[in-house]
Amino acid sequence: DTGVSQDPRHKITKRGQNVTFRCDPISEHNRLYWYRQTLGQGPEFLTYFQNEAQLEKSRLLSDRFSAERPKGSFSTLEIQRTEQGDSAMYLCASSLQGATEKLFFGEGSRLTVL
Amino acid sequence: KNEVEQSPQNLTAQEGEFITINCSYSVGISALHWLQQHPGGGIVSLFMLSSGKKKHGRLIATINIQEKHSSLHITASHPRDSAVYICAVKVLQGAQKLVFGQGTRLTINP
Repeated sequence: DTGVSQDPRHKITKRGQNVTFRCDPISEHNRLYWYRQTLGQGPEFLTYFQNEAQLEKSRLLSDRFSAERPKGSFSTLEIQRTEQGDSAMYLCASSLQGATEKLFFGEGSRLTVL
Repeated sequence: KNEVEQSPQNLTAQEGEFITINCSYSVGISALHWLQQHPGGGIVSLFMLSSGKKKHGRLIATINIQEKHSSLHITASHPRDSAVYICAVKVLQGAQKLVFGQGTRLTINP
């Protein structure tokens, strides 16, 4: 399968713990996005990378959140000192910069903070 | 008020019916996406529009930039079309952030 893959698919953690999610985009895609989706709502933008550079970051992304894309390929999203309000589906998407820029989404990583 | 509003929020129809889902937005955009989300989270991109109309199979998407409105139509609907349909806009030229609507939950009964 050469689509966008995310790991883990599900994570249950206790409040205060750190969690890290990984996203492997489609290999030739230079753009990578992280979104967060809570139940019954549309996704919310978190951050965007072009190659290894983090070019946009939402105000939703507090100091406890950090994202990296060290070599312009896979990306990680870390949440430190998790809170119950962090419980959500974390979605990764990738695209190839161009006129017909279609987005490809991963299946998401569902986080439950107890 | 959300920057992107979809209507209806929920739609139930019988197999074969013609379906219309609407999306209105209040900001300047460079493109609009229609996405389909099935239970379990997977999102599939259906269309990206910046003007006019696009068609793919039984799906048709239109956009009116002056009226800040887009519609997604499904002809000859089928139970497998049951999903959440989400409208998302790319705000302003050059920005990559997408702003999403809340989605329209479509159920097609056999």
